[in-house]
Amino acid sequence: EAQVTQNPRYLITVTGKKLTVTCSQNMNHEYMSWYRQDPGLGLRQIYYSMNVEVTDKGDVPEGYKVSRKEKRNFPLILESPSPNQTSLYFCASSLSQLRVSPLHFGNGTRLTVT
Amino acid sequence: GEDVEQSLFLSVREGDSSVINCTYTDSSSTYLYWYKQEPGAGLQLLTYIFSNMDMKQDQRLTVLLNKKDKHLSLRIADTQTGDSAIYFCAERESSASKIIFGSGTRLSIRP
Repeated sequence: EAQVTQNPRYLITVTGKKLTVTCSQNMNHEYMSWYRQDPGLGLRQIYYSMNVEVTDKGDVPEGYKVSRKEKRNFPLILESPSPNQTSLYFCASSLSQLRVSPLHFGNGTRLTVT
Repeated sequence: GEDVEQSLFLSVREGDSSVINCTYTDSSSTYLYWYKQEPGAGLQLLTYIFSNMDMKQDQRLTVLLNKKDKHLSLRIADTQTGDSAIYFCAERESSASKIIFGSGTRLSIRP
């Protein structure tokens, strides 16, 4: 089944403890992206990647890192999480950014930083 | 910068039509999308419209695009309880590598 898989679904951590949220897609998509969803703010893009070894900042990249060593994986790294990073995170992928390629979303990771 | 705006809430009676509205600012947008988010799930693409179209119909869904006013709407005919969700409007520019989302409209259905 074609899908975007994120892990974990829920994560509670403490300020400053490094964490990684994994994202994997099995559709051979070139484009991958991370979003955070906060009440009243919709989805805001954190980072995106147009292909392997190519990553760029989105609208809210501060405090996050990503890597794209393989086409299928796009992990989100929080080196030193802070409470303002408590949010619902979504990974998404699409075939290409150049054509009408809808985004396919994972089911989300709800992160709480205390 | 680019912006997409939606009202946050809409309540309709079961069986009535729902109309969710969206405005956007980028006149170079090529594709405009409607996504649906059910509780505990990611976003699913409902439908999209290319900017050279005025209307697109797909079963109970009708999308209307007014390019002059930069206004997009999604009409759901015969609204059912399963339509309860958050609906996001989104735009993609012709030259950009990102999709910009609105804040989402929470649709609730009353009996």
